[in-house]
Amino acid sequence: AQSVTQLDSHVSVSEGTPVLLRCNYSSSYSPSLFWYVQHPNKGLQLLLKYTSAATLVKGINGFEAEFKKSETSFHLTKPSAHMSDAAEYFCVVSEAGNTPLVFGKGTRLSVIA
Amino acid sequence: DTAVSQTPKYLVTQMGNDKSIKCEQNLGHDTMYWYKQDSKKFLKIMFSYNNKELIINETVPNRFSPKSPDKAHLNLHINSLELGDSAVYFCASSQDGSFGETQYFGPGTRLLVL
Repeated sequence: AQSVTQLDSHVSVSEGTPVLLRCNYSSSYSPSLFWYVQHPNKGLQLLLKYTSAATLVKGINGFEAEFKKSETSFHLTKPSAHMSDAAEYFCVVSEAGNTPLVFGKGTRLSVIA
Repeated sequence: DTAVSQTPKYLVTQMGNDKSIKCEQNLGHDTMYWYKQDSKKFLKIMFSYNNKELIINETVPNRFSPKSPDKAHLNLHINSLELGDSAVYFCASSQDGSFGETQYFGPGTRLLVL
């Protein structure tokens, strides 16, 4: 069965500095991996996804993630944080077939001016 | 136009009551989902429907009953509400439930049971 571990429950960065949100996954098969963002009191929005094409995936708002099979990781990065990036970020895994999405517990990103 | 919409946005009710949450998507998708997000922000699938047919039914109490009148709508009815049902409920949709598909989420319904 698939699972996702987000290694940090809270990350705090200064505006203009790099962002790194860490995610490790466990899957019996080649998974699809996603990052979703949830701003306060809002729904979830897809940032990016990996589906066995290029291992470096570019998403919206300058975010990107790299799929590393040997490390079973899918970390999310951004070169320079903006205040508007402050939100909850979820790493999500999906296996083939009708298995449901499995969400990590989320990482809250704070951006300090 | 909102892609996935839910009503109501907020719902405050007493224990023991019955309530419904409605979801509609205008994306032309075949598959719809209900998720529950608890107070610690953890999200878990409850149900999924494909073209009005139940596909996934996780271990959810049978007080929760989804209804899909057509493939654009998936409503959630909850009987005999309990304190532990307090959560944010998200509806989502995807093209046909295939592997690797993007799911599009609604804004959520914040349910508080007193």
